[in-house]
Amino acid sequence: GAVVSQHPSRVICKSGTSVKIECRSLDFQATTMFWYRQFPKQSLMLMATSNEGSKATYEQGVEKDKFLINHASLTLSTLTVTSAHPEDSSFYICSARLATGTGELFFGEGSRLTVL
Amino acid sequence: AQTVTQSQPEMSVQEAETVTLSCTYDTSESDYYLFWYKQPPSRQMILVIRQEAYKQQNATENRFSVNFQKAAKSFSLKISDSQLGDAAMYFCAYRSGGGADGLTFGKGTHLIIQP
Repeated sequence: GAVVSQHPSRVICKSGTSVKIECRSLDFQATTMFWYRQFPKQSLMLMATSNEGSKATYEQGVEKDKFLINHASLTLSTLTVTSAHPEDSSFYICSARLATGTGELFFGEGSRLTVL
Repeated sequence: AQTVTQSQPEMSVQEAETVTLSCTYDTSESDYYLFWYKQPPSRQMILVIRQEAYKQQNATENRFSVNFQKAAKSFSLKISDSQLGDAAMYFCAYRSGGGADGLTFGKGTHLIIQP
């Protein structure tokens, strides 16, 4: 199956700093990527839809100025958590949608963010 | 908006036995897809099975099968011959047929396999 890679898998940062998480589709092109957030023992909540070459679409309640999303190419989307605070600590997961065929979704391994 | 409900926070089954995980959903759309994902302790989301709403035949993937009841908006997952490696969180998910939207997930069911 297609591979989606996220980096870093774990990151610890100080409160007030910004953190960038990358999501790459390694062997396919993805016009659309999705960013999810998962709190411990909870479900995945869609944060935003990232479309290559255009602005991301954010779900209700997600601050677009805090969670900056850039989808500069067909294989890379980035999520930047700006001025991170402890409440931003979470597991962030991306998924990428095949640009052709069935439009199947493939998930990255996730990135655990801890804000001290 | 679509909603997905998994009413079983946790299920336990003996190894080699069969277990069924429940999922119901609410939508006004006629074209959509339903999925079951497995999330082991590694947190990697793994697609278990997928069902297109327009297909009447229930999807099957080896030991995994679904009971898709479109009128009742029910989409249960049956795992036959349960194995220790099946232990994980299982999430039911919905996606609109257009494909532009992300997945809507249920809250998940923690499946425990008793040796």
